[in-house]
Amino acid sequence: GEDVEQSLFLSVREGDSSVINCTYTDSSSTYLYWYKQEPGAGLQLLTYIFSNMDMKQDQRLTVLLNKKDKHLSLRIADTQTGDSAIYFCAEKGDSGAGSYQLTFGKGTKLSVIP
Amino acid sequence: SAVISQKPSRDICQRGTSLTIQCQVDSQVTMMFWYRQQPGQSLTLIATANQGSEATYESGFVIDKFPISRPNLTFSTLTVSNMSPEDSSIYLCSAAGSKAEQYFGPGTRLTVT
Repeated sequence: GEDVEQSLFLSVREGDSSVINCTYTDSSSTYLYWYKQEPGAGLQLLTYIFSNMDMKQDQRLTVLLNKKDKHLSLRIADTQTGDSAIYFCAEKGDSGAGSYQLTFGKGTKLSVIP
Repeated sequence: SAVISQKPSRDICQRGTSLTIQCQVDSQVTMMFWYRQQPGQSLTLIATANQGSEATYESGFVIDKFPISRPNLTFSTLTVSNMSPEDSSIYLCSAAGSKAEQYFGPGTRLTVT
């Protein structure tokens, strides 16, 4: 089956930029996502990018997609302590007109040091 | 965006019993899903809840263990039947109104003793 890989941990100082990386194997991916999960909470959709785009910016978040290398990254500018959470990368393939299924990575735990 | 609520938010259940989790979406959505997140792990899709027909289960999940209902376009239930400690997990409801965006509920934290 398809696979999504992420590093498990990232530690940054408050005010620095964080970059969380993700690789995937599905060459037919249509959308790629970043979700945030704070302790004891569900998943919050942060942003997503369509596979024919290579960059998307939304306030402090920048998503870069290298479709050739199947590499996705999330950059958080001016990282704050409130950004401490687990960040999940997910991809959606194109297995037909009704395809909605997401494949998730294991999540990257971001720790922000004050 | 869709706002999704789940009930209960957490429960502690005895081995051999069943628990039904409810998921309510604040707008009509095309697709609803149930995921499981085991402690410290990623999300695994259990099934797609189909409105008006039987759910579509992923490999390793069966209807007898995880019966699902979806009576309309805003509501679904997942039952975890004949529970064992291995069923201790977070169960998450998800909804997609378009092909691009998929939203998640806050999850139900289940502990089986």
